[in-house]
Amino acid sequence: NAGVTQTPKFRVLKTGQSMTLLCAQDMNHEYMYWYRQDPGMGLRLIHYSVGEGTTAKGEVPDGYNVSRLKKQNFLLGLESAAPSQTSVYFCASSKPRGGGTDTQYFGPGTRLTVL
Amino acid sequence: LAKTTQPISMDSYEGQEVNITCSHNNIATNDYITWYQQFPSQGPRFIIQGYKTKVTNEVASLFIPADRKSSTLSLPRVSLSDTAVYYCLVGDADGQNFVFGPGTRLSVLP
Repeated sequence: NAGVTQTPKFRVLKTGQSMTLLCAQDMNHEYMYWYRQDPGMGLRLIHYSVGEGTTAKGEVPDGYNVSRLKKQNFLLGLESAAPSQTSVYFCASSKPRGGGTDTQYFGPGTRLTVL
Repeated sequence: LAKTTQPISMDSYEGQEVNITCSHNNIATNDYITWYQQFPSQGPRFIIQGYKTKVTNEVASLFIPADRKSSTLSLPRVSLSDTAVYYCLVGDADGQNFVFGPGTRLSVLP
């Protein structure tokens, strides 16, 4: 059981370039989330998904797009990277609804630098 | 969404009990309180969750007063390896309405 994995672990982009971050989970979780964490700061939710084929905006969605074509994968795209998007990106997934509580399981993060 | 506040940082010594309080004055009736721990260069990991009164597991206890406007994470007999950032999260069971606190950086000294 790998849990939540993220690809790549590190990436350096030039301003204006595009890239896609991949998150995969093998726990059959319904919900998946993308966060960003700036140095010394807390977590801010970018987008999330409550099931295959669904996505929703979080606190800081501008400049990002997401897709959830398969239940186990959640992709985060940057169409035109900006230096302000330099951050560590975390993916998380959570248990199916109905349990009364919700625990998020996080991946190891992707460190992105935009020059 | 219930906004949360936490102390920015705390220091402790090995073997002491550490209590970290999170304030959430606007917590809703169906909101739960969850605490996460984050080590440098790692994603956060779940510590404990509760709704009211007291919850205890093998690593921590969570105290929630009757009015639920705050919660206290208690770490018994901390060690150097407990040095981390601790986040309080308040959200409902639907997993769509939640907010992470700003985090408390705990430093455990020898």
